[in-house]
Amino acid sequence: GENVEQHPSTLSVQEGDSAVIKCTYSDSASNYFPWYKQELGKRPQLIIDIRSNVGEKKDQRIAVTLNKTAKHFSLHITETQPEDSAVYFCAPSGGYQKVTFGTGTKLQVIP
Amino acid sequence: GAVVSQHPSRVICKSGTSVKIECRSLDFQATTMFWYRQFPKKSLMLMATSNEGSKATYEQGVEKDKFLINHASLTLSTLTVTSAHPEDSSFYICSASPAGGGRETQYFGPGTRLLVL
Repeated sequence: GENVEQHPSTLSVQEGDSAVIKCTYSDSASNYFPWYKQELGKRPQLIIDIRSNVGEKKDQRIAVTLNKTAKHFSLHITETQPEDSAVYFCAPSGGYQKVTFGTGTKLQVIP
Repeated sequence: GAVVSQHPSRVICKSGTSVKIECRSLDFQATTMFWYRQFPKKSLMLMATSNEGSKATYEQGVEKDKFLINHASLTLSTLTVTSAHPEDSSFYICSASPAGGGRETQYFGPGTRLLVL
C-alpha cells in the first residue's frame, strides 16, 4: 500500500513566522494531494488541496507545492497565528485508490 | 453545504456489549463512506470503505465480523462494534464522498469517542 510520511512530526514557531511541513508518498499513481487540519478532539478539515497538473496553489496565508517527480508535497503557512496550532495531515490519493493519511505534524505557534 | 453528522458523539459501554455509530450526510448524497479509527496522538487509520447497496471493503487487519458496516442508503452508513472490549476504545470518524464527486473528496463527521469499560 501507499507509504506516507510527514516531516517534521512536531514543529514550534513564533507567531508571525512561517511553517513548512513536508509529505512524502510512495505511489506514483497519486494525483490528488490535500492537507487537513485537525484540532484536538475535532474532525479533520480540508485546508488546501492540489492536483497533479499544478505545481503550486495558494490561498491567502496557506500554500501547497507539489513535486510529483520526487513524490513529495509541502504545506506552507506564512504569518502564523496561535489559531494555526493543530495537527496537520496530508492524505495523497488517486482515482479509486484508498486514501492514506500521513503520520501527522503537530504545529505549535507560540504567541 | 457538505455537512456530515455522527451519532452519538460520545459513548461509554460495558465490555461485551455492542455499540452502533451512525454517519449521515445531511445535505448531499454519498455513494461512498469511509470509516476511520484514530488513537490518541496518532493518525487516522482507514478501517473500511462502504458503498451504498453493497458490502463494505475492509482494510487488512480489520475484522469484518467485529466491525459491522451497513450502508443502506445514500445518506446513512452505520458502524457496529460488536462485543466491544477495552482495546476497542478509540475515536471513530466517518467521512462521505458526494455522488459524482470522486472518491478523493471527503467530508468528515465530527467523530465518536468510544470508551469500553
